[in-house]
Amino acid sequence: QQKVQQSPESLSVPEGGMASLNCTSSDRNFQYFWWYRQHSGEGPKALMSIFSDGDKKEGRFTAHLNKASLHVSLHIRDSQPSDSALYFCAASEGTGYQNFYFGKGTSLTVIP
Amino acid sequence: AQTIHQWPVAEIKAVGSPLSLGCTIKGKSSPNLYWYWQATGGTLQQLFYSITVGQVESVVQLNLSASRPKDDQFILSTEKLLLSHSGFYLCAWSPNWGSSAETLYFGSGTRLTVL
Repeated sequence: QQKVQQSPESLSVPEGGMASLNCTSSDRNFQYFWWYRQHSGEGPKALMSIFSDGDKKEGRFTAHLNKASLHVSLHIRDSQPSDSALYFCAASEGTGYQNFYFGKGTSLTVIP
Repeated sequence: AQTIHQWPVAEIKAVGSPLSLGCTIKGKSSPNLYWYWQATGGTLQQLFYSITVGQVESVVQLNLSASRPKDDQFILSTEKLLLSHSGFYLCAWSPNWGSSAETLYFGSGTRLTVL
C-alpha cells in the first residue's frame, strides 16, 4: 500500500505559468515532508522541506502543508523549461533512523 | 561541503553474473547511509540502510546484499543478477543526529542494465 500519493501523474504548463503539484499521506505518524526534483539521468535533489502547517516560500517555489488533512502541495511560479523534471513528495516520521516514503512522482513539462 | 560519489556510472551485465556497486561520502562523519532502487520513471524503493559501520538493515528482499566496510563507504552487491535487477540504483545519506528529521541527499546514481 502506497503511503504517499501524488497527483497529477503528469502535468504540462506553459513557460511563465504556475505549476501545482499535490501530495497526500495515509499515515498520521508522518510529521516531516520534502519535495525532491529529479532531472532525467540524475539523482533526486531536495527542493525544500516543510515541517509546520502553512506556507514555506523559497524563490519561485512555495510549499503548503496541512497536517490535519495530511496534504502537501508545491507551487512553482513563473515556470521555466529547466523546471521540466520528475517531482517526488517524501514523508517521514522523523525520529532516530528515518524511513523515508516516496510518492510515485509527478512528471512536469514546461512548454516554451 | 559534503560530497557523495557513486560508481560505476553505468553497467551492462549478463543474467547470472555478479555485481558490485559502491558509493563514498566525504565531508560528513558517521552519516546514515541508504540504497534505493528506481525503475525507469518510477518511484524510489528503499533497499537497505545503515546507521554505523558494519551494521546494515534490509528493507526489501531482492536477492541483493549490502555492506558498510568503512564509515564513509556503502557497497551493494549480488552474486547472481536477475533481469528484474535492471534499473537505477541510488546511494543516499542523511545526518545521523537521531533527534529530528533531516534531509536525504542522493548521489548521481548507477544505471544497471541486465541482459
